[in-house]
Amino acid sequence: QQQVKQSPQSLIVQKGGISIINCAYENTAFDYFPWYQQFPGKGPALLIAIRPDVSEKKEGRFTISFNKSAKQFSLHIMDSQPGDSATYFCAASPGNQGGKLIFGQGTELSVKP
Amino acid sequence: GAGVSQSPSNKVTEKGKDVELRCDPISGHTALYWYRQSLGQGLEFLIYFQGNSAPDKSGLPSDRFSAERTGGSVSTLTIQRTQQEDSAVYLCASSHPSPGRRETQYFGPGTRLLVL
Repeated sequence: QQQVKQSPQSLIVQKGGISIINCAYENTAFDYFPWYQQFPGKGPALLIAIRPDVSEKKEGRFTISFNKSAKQFSLHIMDSQPGDSATYFCAASPGNQGGKLIFGQGTELSVKP
Repeated sequence: GAGVSQSPSNKVTEKGKDVELRCDPISGHTALYWYRQSLGQGLEFLIYFQGNSAPDKSGLPSDRFSAERTGGSVSTLTIQRTQQEDSAVYLCASSHPSPGRRETQYFGPGTRLLVL
């Protein structure tokens, strides 16, 4: 019940295209859903986050879509750029447990010029 | 300002040896987390500190793993009698929780542990 399932495992997109990464969860106690971006040799960095009371959040080229009834959320990267090539992790955090994050397995994104 | 720092950046050890991994959180951050990232896998929660207390140790995989935090700042993760399956990147994160809000966790670069 604590799992977060992420797909696809890897993704290749042409420059200017849309990258879409999907995540699903079971635990209805999750109340915070961040996405992290990780470059090789670096720690993950927060990209964008959403709470379940909204269905969409947009920051620049990055958008989270959230479907509470389906227990699914996704990251859309518009106008993908080679600099976006990284590993992306979705995560979920259960309320009242100190803020620990349960991560998906990660998606390795490669944007081809 | 300084971010989360971890040391050593790389550690190679022999099976059966003990290792200590250090985390220096961002100054003023009261919450500190340890995660483990195995090759090609997502991050796995290990332990959470609020101040010097660890209210959630549920992710520690065995009693060979322990962690402490002193002065509400530096934390040390200790692995005793290391095994090859302990090989992973150990990541530390810190945040400054606010009531009713979820604050960003800032991650360090990690310690890459290889057990031979």
